[in-house]
Amino acid sequence: QSVLTQPPSVSGAPGQRVTISCTGSSSNIGAGYDVHWYQQLPGTAPKLLIFGNSNRPSGVPDRFSGSKSGTSASLAITGLQAEDEADYYCQSYDSSLSGWVFGGGTKLTVL
Amino acid sequence: QVQLVESGGGVVQPGGSLRLSCAASGFTFSSYGVHWVRQAPGKGLEWVAFIRYDGSNKYYADSVKGRFTISRDNSKNTLYLQMDSLRGEDTAVYYCAKDLGGSYFDYWGQGTLVTVSS
Repeated sequence: QSVLTQPPSVSGAPGQRVTISCTGSSSNIGAGYDVHWYQQLPGTAPKLLIFGNSNRPSGVPDRFSGSKSGTSASLAITGLQAEDEADYYCQSYDSSLSGWVFGGGTKLTVL
Repeated sequence: QVQLVESGGGVVQPGGSLRLSCAASGFTFSSYGVHWVRQAPGKGLEWVAFIRYDGSNKYYADSVKGRFTISRDNSKNTLYLQMDSLRGEDTAVYYCAKDLGGSYFDYWGQGTLVTVSS
């Protein structure tokens, strides 16, 4: 059971928009800790996608965006492309656990 | 460019030990904290341990506390994870990841597989 809760899977057709939710609690996201997102393509290491709730590292397309409100955060992907098919993880810090925590991951399927 | 290269993985029996290494390049290693993160086969990511830039503070997940030890040698630009009393549930790909701001992981290595099995 992950500290941050994500849907196991989402799907969308090419060109569509999908969102992935990440729900935490008062000891992590709700405590004001930032949320970050990672993309893991099949058979590869995770890659930073969004940092500080809504910031994109250099090279990440602006089709990817993040937001945070209260005890939750969301990752939105617009203009879906086949290459976006991957696992996506949210991450934050938890003060009760005194450690960094991840969501369980969401598998994105591009139909 | 930033590179993190893990090594030392392999097959070990339950109760055994293994030491992982992570060689860093492309950035000033001694200025940044570094993490170990693992991923069991077919499962999600789990944070394992963190060490500050100068080795002064170390933090562990409850699942490995007392069994794993994180360390670093800034003169060799290398991070280590000593894993003792290994269990089947420690079977995973282990990644080292560079820390930014004590908040997130901006670069990851390619990972090294540890299999605990008799």
